Amino acid sequence: DTGVSQNPRHKITKRGQNVTFRCDPISEHNRLYWYRQTLGQGPEFLTYFQNEAQLEKSRLLSDRFSAERPKGSFSTLEIQRTEQGDSAMYLCASRRTGLNSPLHFGNGTRLTVT
Amino acid sequence: AQTVTQSQPEMSVQEAETVTLSCTYDTSESDYYLFWYKQPPSRQMILVIRQEAYKQQNATENRFSVNFQKAAKSFSLKISDSQLGDAAMYFCAYHQAGTALIFGKGTTLSVSS
Repeated sequence: DTGVSQNPRHKITKRGQNVTFRCDPISEHNRLYWYRQTLGQGPEFLTYFQNEAQLEKSRLLSDRFSAERPKGSFSTLEIQRTEQGDSAMYLCASRRTGLNSPLHFGNGTRLTVT
Repeated sequence: AQTVTQSQPEMSVQEAETVTLSCTYDTSESDYYLFWYKQPPSRQMILVIRQEAYKQQNATENRFSVNFQKAAKSFSLKISDSQLGDAAMYFCAYHQAGTALIFGKGTTLSVSS
C-alpha cells in the first residue's frame, strides 16, 4: 500500500490558463474521488469513478472542469479557463467497493489562480 | 439531499482531558456509514473511526469513541486522554450506497499543555 499520490503538490497559474492535475490511487482500489477544499471548510464532492466509468458529477462541477480515468487506473482533473474562484486544494481519494470501505486521501494539489 | 452539520467551528481541550465533538446528519435512509476523519495542519486526511448504522454498539478505537444516536441522527466523537498530536481539523462524514461521502464543515481542535 503505497498510498494515494497526487501531482503536482502546488500549482500557480494565471487566470484564463488551463491546468491539469493527476491522481494515482491505491492500486487495488476501484473507486476514485475528486473533492475540492477551501481554507477552513470541509471537502466538497466533485466527481467519482468506478474503474474507468464516471458515475457521478456534482453540480459544483462546471463545464470548465473535466475528469478522466482511462483504463481505470490514474485519473486527471482538468480545469479550463481558470478563474480566481477556482483557487483551492483539490483532493483525490480512493477506496475499495463496499459501503464500509473508507476513503484514503492523497496530499492534495493546491491551486492558486492569480 | 443528505446533509452533515458540525455546529462547533472550534474546540479546545487540555492535555489528558476529554473532549467531545458534535455531528448531526439528515437522511431518510436506514443503511449507511458514518466516519470521523482527522486533518492535521498541512497534512493529509486520515480516518479516525467509523460506525455502521445498523449496529447499535458504539465504535471505539483506542482513545477515540463515538456516541451514535440513530433516532436523533447524531454522531459525536469523544477523544479521551487528549494529546498534543490530536490537534487537527476533524470532519464528520456520511456515506450511503451509490453516492460519494458527504463531509461536514469541520471542527478545529486545539490541544494545550
